[in-house]
Parts: sequence; structure tokens; C-alpha cells
Amino acid sequence: GEDVEQSLFLSVREGDSSVINCTYTDSSSTYLYWYKQEPGAGLQLLTYIFSNMDMKQDQRLTVLLNKKDKHLSLRIADTQTGDSAIYFCAVGGGNKLTFGTGTQLKVEL
Amino acid sequence: DAGVIQSPRHEVTEMGQEVTLRCKPISGHNSLFWYRQTMMRGLELLIYFNNNVPIDDSGMPEDRFSAKMPNASFSTLKIQPSEPRDSAVYFCASVDRGEQYFGPGTRLTVT
Repeated sequence: GEDVEQSLFLSVREGDSSVINCTYTDSSSTYLYWYKQEPGAGLQLLTYIFSNMDMKQDQRLTVLLNKKDKHLSLRIADTQTGDSAIYFCAVGGGNKLTFGTGTQLKVEL
Repeated sequence: DAGVIQSPRHEVTEMGQEVTLRCKPISGHNSLFWYRQTMMRGLELLIYFNNNVPIDDSGMPEDRFSAKMPNASFSTLKIQPSEPRDSAVYFCASVDRGEQYFGPGTRLTVT
């Protein structure tokens, strides 16, 4: 089955850019998502990219997709303390998604 | 819309007791997923429904777990009997055009 991997932790200073990386194994995945989970809450969809795109920008968020290497990244510009959360990448086609392990982002002052 | 609603938000029960978790999906969404989240295993898909029909229950850990979706606006996940290793946060998510909308989760503690 699909395998989706992320590094577990990332620490950045407020105002810096954060880059969260994700690798996956199934090249047939048509949709690739980024979700954010704040403490005590469910996952919230942040953004997504279709597999036929290389990049998508949405305000402070930039998603890059390298299909050849099966690598997805999420860049958060001007990271704020409110961005501290766990970030999950998820890939799939249709309704079923495979989620990564999540990357805990810590933003330090 | 109020989003996906789950109840209860917290449940503490003793080993051996029956536990029922409830989910109300967003109106008009035709797919519903149940997940379990733990520190050790991350987010695991337990089962999902399309148009109230169970499609894939391969993630259900054992026969103690069962899920139903009697209509488009309600689903339950039942654990009978519960065990301490079932302690986790259980999420349900409803789906619209491939995008999953998660509920706030039920934190289950089995002592």
C-alpha cells in the first residue's frame, strides 16, 4: 500500500520560513493535501495540489511537488507563533487518503 | 453549517465496558471516514462509508470494533468490550469532492 513519510519535528524562529517535507510511494496519487492539527482539535485542510501541477501558492503557503522524486513540500513564509501545530501531508485518489506521520512545527520567539 | 459533529468529546470508561462514539457528517457529503490517532501509531484509517455503505473496513483492529451508518446523517463506532489499548482520539471525517473535513474528535480513555 501507499507509504507516506515525514520528519517528526521542525523548529523555526518567528518570522523565518518553514519548510515541511513529505515523501510518498504511490506515483498514481492524483491529489496531495496538507492538513494542520492544533492541540485538542481535528485536522484542518490547509491547501492541496493536483498531481499535474508543480507549484501552488496561497498567501503565505507554497506547495511544491516533485513527481519524479515523489516529494511534496509545504513552505510557510513569515512563520508566526500561531503556526505552531502538527502538519500532515496526505495523498490519494478519489476519497481515500493516506496520511503521513505528521511534522510537529514549533515556532520560537 | 456546524461542520462535522462528534460526541462525546471525552469518554472515560473501565475495561470491559461498551463504548459508542457518534458522528454527524456535514449535510450533503456522501462519504464518511473513521480514524484513530495515537502517539505510537499516528493516524490510522479504521473504516469508511460511501453513501452509507461500508467500503473498506480493513483497518478495523478486531471484532471488538464495529461501525454503522444507518442514514446519511449519522454514524456510530462501537467498541465492545473496550480495552486499555483502545485509548486514543477517534476522528470522523466527511468528504466532499475529495476533501476531508474532520470533526473535533472523541478522546477515549479506557482504564
